[in-house]
Amino acid sequence: NAGVTQTPKFRILKIGQSMTLQCTQDMNHNYMYWYRQDPGMGLKLIYYSVGAGITDKGEVPNGYNVSRSTTEDFPLRLELAAPSQTSVYFCASSFIGRTGGTEAFFGQGTRLTVV
Amino acid sequence: DAKTTQPPSMDCAEGRAANLPCNHSTISGNEYVYWYRQIHSQGPQYIIHGLKNNETNEMASLIITEDRKSSTLILPHATLRDTAVYYCIVYGANSKLTFGKGITLSVRP
Repeated sequence: NAGVTQTPKFRILKIGQSMTLQCTQDMNHNYMYWYRQDPGMGLKLIYYSVGAGITDKGEVPNGYNVSRSTTEDFPLRLELAAPSQTSVYFCASSFIGRTGGTEAFFGQGTRLTVV
Repeated sequence: DAKTTQPPSMDCAEGRAANLPCNHSTISGNEYVYWYRQIHSQGPQYIIHGLKNNETNEMASLIITEDRKSSTLILPHATLRDTAVYYCIVYGANSKLTFGKGITLSVRP
């Protein structure tokens, strides 16, 4: 198992450009999450998904969009990049069922700089 | 969503036990207590979790009070590599996986 894979690892964007951060997991997890982490701060939940076709907003969704067309993939879209979106982005997945679940597994992160 | 409260920081001597407290007074019956840690800018690493019983694994022990309103993560023999931010989180099927500010543990030689 590769676990949770994020691409790219690093990216520099110009203001107003758009990009998609890719996230894929091979553990058949139903839940997937996107976080951002600014320097010296904790993780903030951007969006999450409880299964294919279902997404919901987290704490800081403005400026981002997501989709979940398959169980494995949960891409994060930035439409008009702004300097405030400079951050490290983490994707995670977990399985949660009626009788219990697994811990969340995290990707290695994408370091995004908007200039 | 249930919230957790942790002190901002603590330190301990290398080789001694580190006891990290967490309050989660609004935890729901179906929510688990999870602990993660984050070293530098790496992705958070799972440590341990529990529902109501105490749990132990090769990394740590988790002590949950009988009323489930608080818990303590115990690192039995802290090393310098355990210096990190530790997050206590409660979540389950109907809650979001959100992180608070965590507690910064500094292990001193």
